[in-house]
Amino acid sequence: KAGVTQTPRYLIKTRGQQVTLSCSPISGHRSVSWYQQTPGQGLQFLFEYFSETQRNKGNFPGRFSGRQFSNSRSEMNVSTLELGDSALYLCASSSTEKRGSTDTQYFGPGTRLTVL
Amino acid sequence: QKEVEQDPGPLSVPEGAIVSLNCTYSNSAFQYFMWYRQYSRKGPELLMYTYSSGNKEDGRFTAQVDKSSKYISLFIRDSQPSDSATYLCAMIFLTGRRALTFGSGTRLQVQP
Repeated sequence: KAGVTQTPRYLIKTRGQQVTLSCSPISGHRSVSWYQQTPGQGLQFLFEYFSETQRNKGNFPGRFSGRQFSNSRSEMNVSTLELGDSALYLCASSSTEKRGSTDTQYFGPGTRLTVL
Repeated sequence: QKEVEQDPGPLSVPEGAIVSLNCTYSNSAFQYFMWYRQYSRKGPELLMYTYSSGNKEDGRFTAQVDKSSKYISLFIRDSQPSDSATYLCAMIFLTGRRALTFGSGTRLQVQP
């Protein structure tokens, strides 16, 4: 099975711009989660989508948003970029369907975003 | 105080050594525990996951969970230079919010 893929792998933007990142989960996985990784804060949860619906949300401002398509592919968008948004953005997919059940999350390689 | 504490290292060991990596957590609602390995400029790779207290072995890796002490460990036997990476512990609630909560990661360097 192919793993989680993310595009683009690297991105450079300037403050005030917006950006869209894409994630394709492992085939058959319907849950997609997004995380932000920075040296200072580590890995932090952004949001999770399942069947095109946001099921969980982390403590990030409304500038961070996402969506999921019927084929389970997901995108996240960051508007009005700030310098502090520079980070590795990771997508993880899992096969669980029931809310509350255990699952394991498999990560993609990430998109490294640099905001100048 | 963070929900999950992990010593950031770096931890440097000679090839062949037994490595012990540890995390402590404060929220007893965490019930499912994972260890990820992350190489530089790559995404985290799932190494092991466990639900129960006790030990779980997979090749050179052993994951240990002590829920009464809120303490988890990962042991690596016969460490290799290729094990040099950052090791992240992660945990999740069984019900409710299903986001992984990560430790800060321990950077391991295995010297040949």
